Amino acid sequence: EAQVTQNPRYLITVTGKKLTVTCSQNMNHEYMSWYRQDPGLGLRQIYYSMNVEVTDKGDVPEGYKVSRKEKRNFPLILESPSPNQTSLYFCASSSPQGGGETQYFGPGTRLLVL
Amino acid sequence: AQSVTQLGSHVSVSEGALVLLRCNYSSSVPPYLFWYVQYPNQGLQLLLKYTSAATLVKGINGFEAEFKKSETSFHLTKPSAHMSDAAEYFCAVSDTGGFKTIFGAGTRLFVKA
Repeated sequence: EAQVTQNPRYLITVTGKKLTVTCSQNMNHEYMSWYRQDPGLGLRQIYYSMNVEVTDKGDVPEGYKVSRKEKRNFPLILESPSPNQTSLYFCASSSPQGGGETQYFGPGTRLLVL
Repeated sequence: AQSVTQLGSHVSVSEGALVLLRCNYSSSVPPYLFWYVQYPNQGLQLLLKYTSAATLVKGINGFEAEFKKSETSFHLTKPSAHMSDAAEYFCAVSDTGGFKTIFGAGTRLFVKA
């Protein structure tokens, strides 16, 4: 089954404790993105990757890191989480078509930073 | 810069009534436009998209949207609401590269029995 998986689905942590949220897709997609969803703000792009070893900042990259060492994986790293990073996070993937690509979303990771 | 505005954070309709969710966009280039739906505790899934072919786009579950360049709008409609349509709906625009997507704030649709 074609899918995007994220782990963990729920996470409670404390300020400053490094964490990683994993994202994996089995569709051989080149593009992958991370979004955060906050009430009243919709989804905002954190980082995206156009292919292995190629990443770029989205609209809200501060406090986050990513890496793309393998095509299927795109982990999101919070080196020193803060309470304002409490949010619902989604990973998405797509394949380039010259525009209008459909993104396939993971189920989300709900993060609470105390 | 691209942007998306969804009018109304909450919309309530009766079962069987017309659903109309509004979306206006701004883009300096011909846009690609999307409607995604998010059911509770799930990720987003594509309802429909406009990619410069037909201006009236039909999607899944009986939804459709019309691209109106003169009004910079891409409103989502469904003739008859069903209880299962209760969800949050997001309008989005992407650039010609396809990897940067801007989402609207979302509209939560309530369907009354």
